[in-house]
Parts: sequence; C-alpha cells; structure tokens
Amino acid sequence: DIQMTQSPSSLSASVGDRVTITCRASQGIRNDLGWYQQKLGKAPKRLIYAASSLQSGVPSRFSGSGSGTEFTLTISSLQPEDFATYYCLQNNSYPRTFGQGTKVEIK
Amino acid sequence: EVQLVESGGGLVQPGGSLRLSCAASGFTFSTYSMNWVRQAPGKGLEWVSYISSSSSTIYYADSVKGRFTISRDNAKNSLYLQMNSLRDEDTAVYYCAYGGYGYWGQGTLVTVSS
Repeated sequence: DIQMTQSPSSLSASVGDRVTITCRASQGIRNDLGWYQQKLGKAPKRLIYAASSLQSGVPSRFSGSGSGTEFTLTISSLQPEDFATYYCLQNNSYPRTFGQGTKVEIK
Repeated sequence: EVQLVESGGGLVQPGGSLRLSCAASGFTFSTYSMNWVRQAPGKGLEWVSYISSSSSTIYYADSVKGRFTISRDNAKNSLYLQMNSLRDEDTAVYYCAYGGYGYWGQGTLVTVSS
C-alpha cells in the first residue's frame, strides 16, 4: 500500500500569510494526487487535481505542485474562509490513501 | 446540477448490519465508477470501497474486506454499501464520491454502539 505522509499536522497563520502543506508518498505516484479542503461538519471539497490543476471555481490563491513522491499545496495569501483542514489523496493505486490532514488555524 | 445523497445511516449494535444508499443525479451515473469514503468522529478520511461503472471491478479496504459489500443499480442511479458484522470502529460519517473524487455527497452517520 502507498503511505501518504502529510506535514505539518497543524499550523497557525494570519490572514494574508503564505501557507505551504506537504505530502510525501512512500513510492512514486506520478501526478496522481488531489488536495481537499474540509470545514467542520461538511464534505471534503477538491481544490487541486492531478497534482497541479486547479478545480473549477476554486480561487487562484490555491496552487499545487510536485510529481513522483513530493507534493505541495500552497495558499498564497490566506483568507478568513481558508481556515479548515486540508488533506491529500493519492489516486494512483488501490487502496486509495489520504494524508493525515493539516488543520489550519487562526494565529 | 450534480447531486449525491446518502441515506441509511443510524444506530446499530455491534455485530449488526446496515445498508447505505447513495442516490445520484445530474450526471450519467452508469458511465462513472463510484466510491465510498468514511470519516470517524474527529479523525481523518479513510477510503472504503470502489466499484467500476459496470460493477466488473471492485476493491475494498482491508479494514472492511469480507464484511462490507459495494454494489450499484445503474437503472436506479444508485450506489449501495451493505455493511455486516459491524464493529465499534466502523462508527463514521460515510460519503459516496465520484469523478475522481471531485464530487461528494453530504454523508450519512453510522453509529455502532451497544
């Protein structure tokens, strides 16, 4: 099984800050990775697919990069509505595996 | 508009059974593979099961293999998850998802407790 190691598990940031979240795969997954945002009590919402493609309707302050085993989600200027938990998901092989999540909190 | 609506969750005793449904609309259900993903209270996301568009290919997480059965009825635009021999650790919100996990339902809560 492919393990997805996500870091950090939580972070505190201020509005306007640049935020970076990383996922590392235990083996190469090409660019078969998505990033998700989840707010309390809601279903996950996909932000990025194929590692770097922005989902339609998602603000351009969100971006993804990486290929192989190292992936990054960047929020260029954190907004109040961005405080949430973020997950990566590898869709290269079964079983699908998620990162452990990163909770982004207000500083 | 794409809609996925899960139902069938509730309280069940350990060892019991439950059948979840996911009603799909707004897209050609019969041409898409489908998935179940769950989230235990306060925990992260866990992929549970996959079924191809024609039901010819099915996968399960090791944690549910032999106890859960995924199925679909393309004529009814519906996805199902039959859950047997339920355990405390199966307590979670269960989501159906498709489109490479781009579309998710709102989830249905399953609570396994005596």
